[in-house]
Amino acid sequence: DTGVSQNPRHKITKRGQNVTFRCDPISEHNRLYWYRQTLGQGPEFLTYFQNEAQLEKSRLLSDRFSAERPKGSFSTLEIQRTEQGDSAMYLCASSPRLTLNTEAFFGQGTRLTVV
Amino acid sequence: DQQVKQNSPSLSVQEGRISILNCDYTNSMFDYFLWYKKYPAEGPTFLISISSIKDKNEDGRFTVFLNKSAKHLSLHIVPSQPGDSAVYFCAASGSNTGKLIFGQGTTLQVKP
Repeated sequence: DTGVSQNPRHKITKRGQNVTFRCDPISEHNRLYWYRQTLGQGPEFLTYFQNEAQLEKSRLLSDRFSAERPKGSFSTLEIQRTEQGDSAMYLCASSPRLTLNTEAFFGQGTRLTVV
Repeated sequence: DQQVKQNSPSLSVQEGRISILNCDYTNSMFDYFLWYKKYPAEGPTFLISISSIKDKNEDGRFTVFLNKSAKHLSLHIVPSQPGDSAVYFCAASGSNTGKLIFGQGTTLQVKP
């Protein structure tokens, strides 16, 4: 399967701990996005990479959040000193930059629960 | 502020009938609109899209209509099938980054 892959699928952590999620985009997709979805809401944009460059960050992305995409392939999203409000589904998506407008392909997400 | 709104949290239709899901937006800079479908415990799956230079796009049972003057789009599913039961998200893009702004979603239930 060559879709977007996210690991882990589920993560339960204690408040104050650090967590890291990984996203493997579709091969050769040079755009990669991170979104966060809470119950009853649509996905909210967090950050965007064009190859290895992080080009945009939402104000939702506090200083405790950091994302990287070394070598323009997989990406990681780290949350430091987790808070209960960080509990959400974290979604990764990728798209090719073939045309100006194209759909993004989403992974299955990582569900984070902070207890 | 909610730039993309889906005002109906849920919709229930009978199998074989038409399902109409609605979406409103406020940002006139949006130029590309998409519908995604989401099953529980899965990521959103792309369904259909429309560029702002068009007012209709059709793909099999799915048709999206765009009314730019009203800043409104709708998704029509005909005929509806029980497998269509899912949460449907409207999304919009207006920058060359491809960043998507999503609505809150509408849960569609198609009854056999």
